[in-house]
Amino acid sequence: DQQVKQNSPSLSVQEGRISILNCDYTNSMFDYFLWYKKYPAEGPTFLISISSIKDKNEDGRFTVFLNKSAKHLSLHIVPSQPGDSAVYFCAASLSSTDSWGKLQFGAGTQVVVTP
Amino acid sequence: KAGVTQTPRYLIKTRGQQVTLSCSPISGHRSVSWYQQTPGQGLQFLFEYFSETQRNKGNFPGRFSGRQFSNSRSEMNVSTLELGDSALYLCASSSTGDGGADTQYFGPGTRLTVL
Repeated sequence: DQQVKQNSPSLSVQEGRISILNCDYTNSMFDYFLWYKKYPAEGPTFLISISSIKDKNEDGRFTVFLNKSAKHLSLHIVPSQPGDSAVYFCAASLSSTDSWGKLQFGAGTQVVVTP
Repeated sequence: KAGVTQTPRYLIKTRGQQVTLSCSPISGHRSVSWYQQTPGQGLQFLFEYFSETQRNKGNFPGRFSGRQFSNSRSEMNVSTLELGDSALYLCASSSTGDGGADTQYFGPGTRLTVL
């Protein structure tokens, strides 16, 4: 059962504009959320994370927002650059002994940044 | 610090064979998780090892197994290969594997093709 969902399979944005990627989850026990960027035939690269006790975290051009009541998080990339074209995965984890080392991933959103 | 390394990067096997994949975590990381990525199922958790012990296992058949050595390096093995095992196999390492606030860093993956 898919507990982390990315409902937009693709997003096209102009260079210099804001990219907004969305992610929804169903398990209210998740307490850590991460975003990864992935190029074809490579492993995911960690971008940014947020703990469930926060509602916002920034790192350079990347900001993640968490709305726990809505079970929703989003990743904002400002400004978007051509090198940002990749697949972005949202992931969530639980701090419980039966979830050691387990990330649950969304299906990914393909971002294309156009000149 | 060197990142997560995986060998080999590419493998071609035939049905019925077995395969062993290797992962070296980031220095100091003791938790190693394995994931399978396929176009249809996305990124699926296989299992996690910490201090040479499997602590968590995903929903995969017993043909998928793994182990971890005292230096935290890990191997995964797939026996009696099936066509559906063709996938990108990803290894990730983290300090503790505690889902609450521990970030996983991924290797480049091993692309397995079963003919």
